[in-house]
Amino acid sequence: GENVEQHPSTLSVQEGDSAVIKCTYSDSASNYFPWYKQELGKRPQLIIDIRSNVGEKKDQRIAVTLNKTAKHFSLHITETQPEDSAVYFCAANGLTGGGNKLTFGTGTQLKVEL
Amino acid sequence: NAGVMQNPRHLVRRRGQEARLRCSPMKGHSHVYWYRQLPEEGLKFMVYLQKENIIDESGMPKERFSAEFPKEGPSILRIQQVVRGDSAAYFCASSPQTDFYGYTFGSGTRLTVV
Repeated sequence: GENVEQHPSTLSVQEGDSAVIKCTYSDSASNYFPWYKQELGKRPQLIIDIRSNVGEKKDQRIAVTLNKTAKHFSLHITETQPEDSAVYFCAANGLTGGGNKLTFGTGTQLKVEL
Repeated sequence: NAGVMQNPRHLVRRRGQEARLRCSPMKGHSHVYWYRQLPEEGLKFMVYLQKENIIDESGMPKERFSAEFPKEGPSILRIQQVVRGDSAAYFCASSPQTDFYGYTFGSGTRLTVV
């Protein structure tokens, strides 16, 4: 089955700096890669996703890049703000169930310091 | 659209009791997924269901855990004879039959076994 690794596990940045979180996946058949943000005590919420037919996608201050050959993808947050502090999870789908099952990385605790 | 509804939000059970967690998917969604999140850990896949059908239960413990998604009514995750190690947040997510764009998660049920 799919295996997703995520680094780093914790990340501290100064407000206004950029943050980068990286993930690798094992199943070359994976074609959908979402990122979720989870604030303390709340549900994970989808913030951006990318499909395997594109290499980069951007939405305001967040962007995701995908390298299919190397089987890794990254989340980039620019001009970080205190409200960006949360746990971020990457995920990848797999062949099981027609590609609808997501395997999640272990999460990155992002802390944006004033 | 009320989103994915989970209840109860909090559930306390004594060791040996049964826990029943309910999940109603978003309107128009026919796929349901259950994930478990231990304190300060990631989202671990448990089971993927469609109406009256289990698609993938590879993440379910072999004993004490079962799940169903009947033709009518919510999906149910049942844990029999709970133990302290079952204490966790259990998240349900749903997705449509086609045009998969990731999950919408419910608010979760936080199970505490005392």
